[in-house]
Amino acid sequence: SYVLTQPPSVSVAPAKTATITCGGVNIGSKVVHWYQQKPGQAPILVIYYDNDRPSGIPERFSGSNSGNTATLTISRVEAGDEADYYCQVWDSGSDHYVFGTGTTVTVL
Amino acid sequence: VQLVESGGGLARPGGSLRLSCVGSGFNFSSHPMNWVRQAPGKGLEWLSYITRESNAIDYADSVKGRLTVSRDNARNSLYLQINSLRAEDTAVYYCARLSKLRGAIYYMDVWGQGTTVTVSS
Repeated sequence: SYVLTQPPSVSVAPAKTATITCGGVNIGSKVVHWYQQKPGQAPILVIYYDNDRPSGIPERFSGSNSGNTATLTISRVEAGDEADYYCQVWDSGSDHYVFGTGTTVTVL
Repeated sequence: VQLVESGGGLARPGGSLRLSCVGSGFNFSSHPMNWVRQAPGKGLEWLSYITRESNAIDYADSVKGRLTVSRDNARNSLYLQINSLRAEDTAVYYCARLSKLRGAIYYMDVWGQGTTVTVSS
């Protein structure tokens, strides 16, 4: 089955940039979505189709996808961005949805 | 636009539970749906997918044979039957709406608040 690997944690100072990676074999050939989950809450969609933002998501959130790595970038990080972030793809080989291992973003 | 799950609770190993998810504020029958779960302190795990008219259904390998997903569009409802419950089924179970803007790739744009299942003797 297809595996998506994320770093367990990322720490960033306020107003700096957080970069969260999502590694998978030839992930650049797939479409990646990103979800944010705050403690005790359901996930919400923050990036879809690699780099599109749903309405209501700040422009500070952006994505990219190439080769074996997809990336979620949070610019000008705020305290409210502290959360777990998950990448997700649909694996055509298995016809299954796959989530990444998740990354906890901590704002210092 | 919202999804509301129910049906979770404490269950014995080997038992069964039926989870429900009711959609409102949108045309429920126009969207395929997913079930996703999250064990305590763990990440998200996709469980099941069902198309708009229930003509295609799929399950994660880890739960295949024990889960049955169904829907009733007349009631704006999605269901998940879990049989032969195990301790490792303890988790928050979410239903999620699938949407797409282009091509055949869906994303999960609306999630319920989750319902908690605890399997213990």
